[in-house]
Amino acid sequence: KAGVTQTPRYLIKTRGQQVTLSCSPISGHRSVSWYQQTPGQGLQFLFEYFSETQRNKGNFPGRFSGRQFSNSRSEMNVSTLELGDSALYLCASSPDRGPIYEQYFGPGTRLTVT
Amino acid sequence: KNEVEQSPQNLTAQEGEFITINCSYSVGISALHWLQQHPGGGIVSLFMLSSGKKKHGRLIATINIQEKHSSLHITASHPRDSAVYICAVLPKRGSNYKLTFGKGTLLTVNP
Repeated sequence: KAGVTQTPRYLIKTRGQQVTLSCSPISGHRSVSWYQQTPGQGLQFLFEYFSETQRNKGNFPGRFSGRQFSNSRSEMNVSTLELGDSALYLCASSPDRGPIYEQYFGPGTRLTVT
Repeated sequence: KNEVEQSPQNLTAQEGEFITINCSYSVGISALHWLQQHPGGGIVSLFMLSSGKKKHGRLIATINIQEKHSSLHITASHPRDSAVYICAVLPKRGSNYKLTFGKGTLLTVNP
């Protein structure tokens, strides 16, 4: 089975712009979670989608949003980018809902905001 | 105070040594994950456990629910084990039902 894929792998944006990141889960996996990793804060949970519905959300401002499609692929969007949004964004898929299941991580998208 | 504390933050070992990385947490949990992150970013899930002990090759993970503590052991360490090891806990179901991560332990194994 192919692993979790994320596109693009690298991205450079300017403050104030918006960005959309994409995640394709492992075939058959229905849950997709998004995480942000920064040197200062480490890994932090953004949100989880299951069956096209957001099931859980971390402590991030409303500028961070996401969605999931019927084929379980997921996108996350960050609007009005700030310098502090520079980070590695990781998605992880699991067979069923919730982080009680093993998480399979993608390679990440490294976002740089200038 | 972080809900998840890892120690040590940095660890340097010689090839062949036995390695122990510790994780302590402050809340009741449903499960605990151990993750490995190599330079370049990719994260691999090593173990998920809610009680007892699990073993996979040279890696062993244990958890003591009463003491709110988990350890990751690496036997016969090898330079390819050099990575950041991250502990993550999943609290019991409730409004905070999401993974909370430790800051990670950077392991360097020298040949």
